[in-house]
Amino acid sequence: AQTVTQSQPEMSVQEAETVTLSCTYDTSENNYYLFWYKQPPSRQMILVIRQEAYKQQNATENRFSVNFQKAAKSFSLKISDSQLGDTAMYFCARTQGGSEKLVFGKGTKLTVNP
Amino acid sequence: GEEVAQTPKHLVRGEGQKAKLYCAPIKGHSYVFWYQQVLKNEFKFLISFQNENVFDETGMPKERFSAKCLPNSPCSLEIQATKLEDSAVYFCASSQTLGLAGTTDTQYFGPGTRLTVL
Repeated sequence: AQTVTQSQPEMSVQEAETVTLSCTYDTSENNYYLFWYKQPPSRQMILVIRQEAYKQQNATENRFSVNFQKAAKSFSLKISDSQLGDTAMYFCARTQGGSEKLVFGKGTKLTVNP
Repeated sequence: GEEVAQTPKHLVRGEGQKAKLYCAPIKGHSYVFWYQQVLKNEFKFLISFQNENVFDETGMPKERFSAKCLPNSPCSLEIQATKLEDSAVYFCASSQTLGLAGTTDTQYFGPGTRLTVL
């Protein structure tokens, strides 16, 4: 099965510090897309960042950036200057097949401590 | 609308009863996806639509699950004869385009419907 693996079930970080969440995936496709979604306790799924596999440049969105290593099939998320509002579950996902359905990892629970 | 809307927020059913969930995609979005998130946080793709046409139904448990997207109506996901293991949060997501010329569009998620089967 083509899977997405998030090896850190839980992580914590102090406010204002930097944290990196890891994600690896398996795929036989050459062209695909990768996403990080945030899910706070409200359960709403919020897009954090996306990366096109054909682009070598790492995506950035304000305090969020990714380290995309296509050969290693790795897609980690770096959160800089962590804020209390960043406390949430974070899910890594990739598209699969022509229908572009998303395959998700099991999530990393991030807690930002004051 | 500007957001994906899902109703109801919560749904409680006795085992064996029917459950029907609704989703209104973002206006102008052609693609609708349904996902199931079970209590262990794992997501499972169920089905997707391109307008009113089924696009990918590889994740649907065909026996008891069905879904529709009809013109000028919210999309729906129906579970006949619910089972305990159907208890989950059901998310609907919509996107504007799909894979044209090597591109894909982001899927925007609704708030989910929490189904509890007793």
